[in-house]
Amino acid sequence: QKEVEQNSGPLSVPEGAIASLNCTYSDRGSQSFFWYRQYSGKSPELIMFIYSNGDKEDGRFTAQLNKASQYVSLLIRDSQPSDSATYLCAVMNDYKLSFGAGTTVTVRA
Amino acid sequence: EAGVVQSPRYKIIEKKQPVAFWCNPISGHNTLYWYLQNLGQGPELLIRYENEEAVDDSQLPKDRFSAERLKGVDSTLKIQPAELGDSAVYLCASSNGREEGADTQYFGPGTRLTVL
Repeated sequence: QKEVEQNSGPLSVPEGAIASLNCTYSDRGSQSFFWYRQYSGKSPELIMFIYSNGDKEDGRFTAQLNKASQYVSLLIRDSQPSDSATYLCAVMNDYKLSFGAGTTVTVRA
Repeated sequence: EAGVVQSPRYKIIEKKQPVAFWCNPISGHNTLYWYLQNLGQGPELLIRYENEEAVDDSQLPKDRFSAERLKGVDSTLKIQPAELGDSAVYLCASSNGREEGADTQYFGPGTRLTVL
């Protein structure tokens, strides 16, 4: 079992819709959870992090964490063509950051 | 504030040749990471430094890979000799320790290595 698993995608959504990205992790001791965005040919760029159960909102992005279910998600509201990228879920345990393989999102104009 | 700087951005070498990558972290960031990213995969940690000390190098293939961070700032990652399977993007990241409860890592632009 991989440490961090993401829905395989690709995910195609119309402009203005909500994109929902899911991530599960195997280590219950994981402490912090990150979402990075990676455009093709570019390096990962931090969107937001979350470490407490519940929701955390930042602009059009909302991260949701459920430690009991070992599940973290990212919602992108009012999706824009500029949101088309690969989204990486990363989980931190004792300073080690483990990444999922990413979910590619395409926003259709 | 300047971000993480890496060079070169691209490198093409023949197998069995040596190659080196350089990283300058964000000013004030004591922790530096080297990652490897293969196409279609997330980054995988190679080594983590706290100042000059390599505190986690368990994933570094020590037979051909080496790294150093002599003065606790810049770092160099070396491969000697390179193999075809080393073709990937090598990412450097840095962090400043606990920040609002999470040790946020910021990535440089990466070096894309092609081994022929």
